[in-house]
Amino acid sequence: NAGVMQNPRHLVRRRGQEARLRCSPMKGHSHVYWYRQLPEEGLKFMVYLQKENIIDESGMPKERFSAEFPKEGPSILRIQQVVRGDSAAYFCASSPHEVLNTEAFFGQGTRLTVV
Amino acid sequence: DQQVKQNSPSLSVQEGRISILNCDYTNSMFDYFLWYKKYPAEGPTFLISISSIKDKNEDGRFTVFLNKSAKHLSLHIVPSQPGDSAVYFCAASDPIQGAQKLVFGQGTRLTINP
Repeated sequence: NAGVMQNPRHLVRRRGQEARLRCSPMKGHSHVYWYRQLPEEGLKFMVYLQKENIIDESGMPKERFSAEFPKEGPSILRIQQVVRGDSAAYFCASSPHEVLNTEAFFGQGTRLTVV
Repeated sequence: DQQVKQNSPSLSVQEGRISILNCDYTNSMFDYFLWYKKYPAEGPTFLISISSIKDKNEDGRFTVFLNKSAKHLSLHIVPSQPGDSAVYFCAASDPIQGAQKLVFGQGTRLTINP
């Protein structure tokens, strides 16, 4: 029973390029959450998705960031025209219900470095 | 606006002794609190939680205490073991913003010395 799988683990992008981060939830989990951790800070909520629906994107920057969770395939966090400030660790979590509590599990994260 | 604060960036404890990690919060609407442990290059893993209707929850070597009047919670690990060396995050949620939107503290790096 594989856990939450995120890929790539490390991603280097030049300023202005696009970054695509993937998250495959645990089997049986239909709720996905994305969090971002800036250096020396805690994790900050970005977006909560269910299959084919964005439920809460109140933590997403208004521009350049988007997320999806299609009917088939992983959830994707997309960052267009990356800037140095986007360098961070991006974590995905999944749960079988719509609450992020003891039943939710985090992936290992994608560390994005913008050069 | 840091709603959840862990004021100690690091803590060093001798193996076998008690580790006490502290967390303060400002939002009185928080009704559920969690502690996560994180090793380098890994995602956070859930450790222990407590509902606001309780003031203590215990699970093996880990105990979380909640003082609602002081808006303070703490995680006690006893006895501390070398494998406990990690970064510990406290997190909280409130029913109005939604339980999916955990608010995390900045983390405390715990080092257990042999």
